Amino acid sequence: DVKVTQSSRYLVKRTGEKVFLECVQDMDHENMFWYRQDPGLGLRLIYFSYDVKMKEKGDIPEGYSVSREKKERFSLILESASTNQTSMYLCASKGNWVQNTGELFFGEGSRLTVL
Amino acid sequence: KQEVTQIPAALSVPEGENLVLNCSFTDSAIYNLQWFRQDPGKGLTSLLLIQSSQREQTSGRLNASLDKSSGRSTLYIAASQPGDSATYLCAVLMDSNYQLIWGAGTKLIIKP
Repeated sequence: DVKVTQSSRYLVKRTGEKVFLECVQDMDHENMFWYRQDPGLGLRLIYFSYDVKMKEKGDIPEGYSVSREKKERFSLILESASTNQTSMYLCASKGNWVQNTGELFFGEGSRLTVL
Repeated sequence: KQEVTQIPAALSVPEGENLVLNCSFTDSAIYNLQWFRQDPGKGLTSLLLIQSSQREQTSGRLNASLDKSSGRSTLYIAASQPGDSATYLCAVLMDSNYQLIWGAGTKLIIKP
């Protein structure tokens, strides 16, 4: 069974704190994604990575950075958390066209509250 | 610019009914289309993936169809059950990039 694991289901942080959200996949996928999901705004792409050490900005990268040092792990970093970053964060992974059909698999989500 | 629309935004039906959820898109040059289910407070679960060359995919009581020329996909759920209650989202992958374009979802409630 495919598995995308997000390290924390629920986090509460204070404004200005540095926050790390970790995501690990066990499918040897090339591509990994970070989304945030907010009521009425749907899913919005923050960053994605198509290979180790490679990253591309999505639609809303401001206030975030990412790290992909190993193929299986993609980290989302909030350098200085703000209240408007309170949200559900979703990690996803997808193989390339050689590996598989391009199906996208998600983790369980991390709900972050910034006070 | 690709736009993906899901209508209705919410749907409530009695248990046992067959139902259809709709997903429409404006640009037919898609690579694939994927249907997901999301339970409250949880991540997304992949239900069905249809490649652009395919017309339909089936899994259990679910059947998804794709008509690229008309820009439509439907998700058919047979013999609905209360456990099918969730939000259903569709997303299209365009040919030339890694990004998916998402619909806003249909919130489905199956009444016992």
